[in-house]
Amino acid sequence: SYVLTQPPSVSVAPGKTASITCGGNNIGTKAVHWYQLKPGQGPVLVISSNRDRPSGIPERISGSNSGSTATLTISRVEAGDEADYFCQVWESGTDQPWVFGGGTKLTVL
Amino acid sequence: EVQLVESGGGLVRPGGSLRLSCAVAGFTFSHHSMTWVRQAPGKGLEWVSSISVTGDGYIFYANSVKGRFTVSRDDAENSLFLQMDSLRAEDTAMYYCGRMEHSSTWYGGYWGQGTLVTVSP
Repeated sequence: SYVLTQPPSVSVAPGKTASITCGGNNIGTKAVHWYQLKPGQGPVLVISSNRDRPSGIPERISGSNSGSTATLTISRVEAGDEADYFCQVWESGTDQPWVFGGGTKLTVL
Repeated sequence: EVQLVESGGGLVRPGGSLRLSCAVAGFTFSHHSMTWVRQAPGKGLEWVSSISVTGDGYIFYANSVKGRFTVSRDDAENSLFLQMDSLRAEDTAMYYCGRMEHSSTWYGGYWGQGTLVTVSP
């Protein structure tokens, strides 16, 4: 089965840029989706299909995907960005189609 | 406004059963595939089950719940369900329902706030 690898944690100072990676074999050929999960709240889709921002998601949040790494970038980080972030791909042709990365805890210093 | 509200969680003994519900509003439920994911304490997101729109006939289960959980939907009631039988301690988690979206591949566009399931003696 396909495996997505994320760093367990990323720390960044307010106002700086955070980059959260999601590694996978030839992930650049796949569509990667990103979710934000805060305590007491449900998941929020922040990036779909590598780089598309849903309505209401600030332009500070962006995504890219190439080669073996997809990246979620949060610019001008704010305290409210502190959360767990998960990448996800869909594995068509299998009976286990949803694949999540292990998640990255973003800490705002 | 799209809304998904889970209910039915609680404390249950190992081997017991629970039925989770997800009531939706703000969109045409019958037009969307739906999914359940969970997050165990201190762990990441884990996909549980997905169900297609009625008529397409697709249902998927994670290997960890196959044979024990059953997903269903009632389009007339705008509700999604997850019948959980033979529960184990490792099923303890917050369970979220989600509306699936498709743009080259599938993903979760909207999610509920979750309902907590605790399996303990």
